[in-house]
Amino acid sequence: DAGVTQSPTHLIKTRGQQVTLRCSPKSGHDTVSWYQQALGQGPQFIFQYYEEEERQRGNFPDRFSGHQFPNYSSELNVNALLLGDSALYLCASRSGTGRPGANVLTFGAGSRLTVL
Amino acid sequence: QQQVKQSPQSLIVQKGGISIINCAYENTAFDYFPWYQQFPGKGPALLIAIRPDVSEKKEGRFTISFNKSAKQFSLHIMDSQPGDSATYFCAASKRVRDDKIIFGKGTRLHILP
Repeated sequence: DAGVTQSPTHLIKTRGQQVTLRCSPKSGHDTVSWYQQALGQGPQFIFQYYEEEERQRGNFPDRFSGHQFPNYSSELNVNALLLGDSALYLCASRSGTGRPGANVLTFGAGSRLTVL
Repeated sequence: QQQVKQSPQSLIVQKGGISIINCAYENTAFDYFPWYQQFPGKGPALLIAIRPDVSEKKEGRFTISFNKSAKQFSLHIMDSQPGDSATYFCAASKRVRDDKIIFGKGTRLHILP
């Protein structure tokens, strides 16, 4: 059973460019969240998607946007990249309330973004 | 404002010893306190979690102690093993199934063989 899968694993961009990161949730999961983990820091919540809508958002600017597709997969888009956007971007998923595994947030291995 | 403060930043323990990581929180609305374990190149994985209505929870060699009045909680790893070497994050959220989880900055634990 594949867990949360993310692509690409690593990527390098330059300031001002745009990036799209992709996530496939664990089988049976329908809720996806994104986190940013700077080097040596804990993950920071960006936003959560459920039923193709953004349900919660952390303290991130509008340059960060997302999307969830009918198959529950998700994308994270970051526009006008800044040097400070360099980080590991983690996708996490869980199953809906009342279903097995609803209490456990499962993380992927992340996409490492470097902005030059 | 850091809502969950974690210490120490790094910790070295002999094999068989006890590893202790401490955390403090500020927001009394937090109602769920998980600990995550992260190995290099991997995402965080839920290790153990507690709610504030209990003072202690034990799962195998891992124990959470919780002090609601002091707004502090800690992770104890008994009989620490080299395979426990990882980064540990304490965290907090307002509900059990809330994805908006606030993480501490992490503790890099190294167990000497």
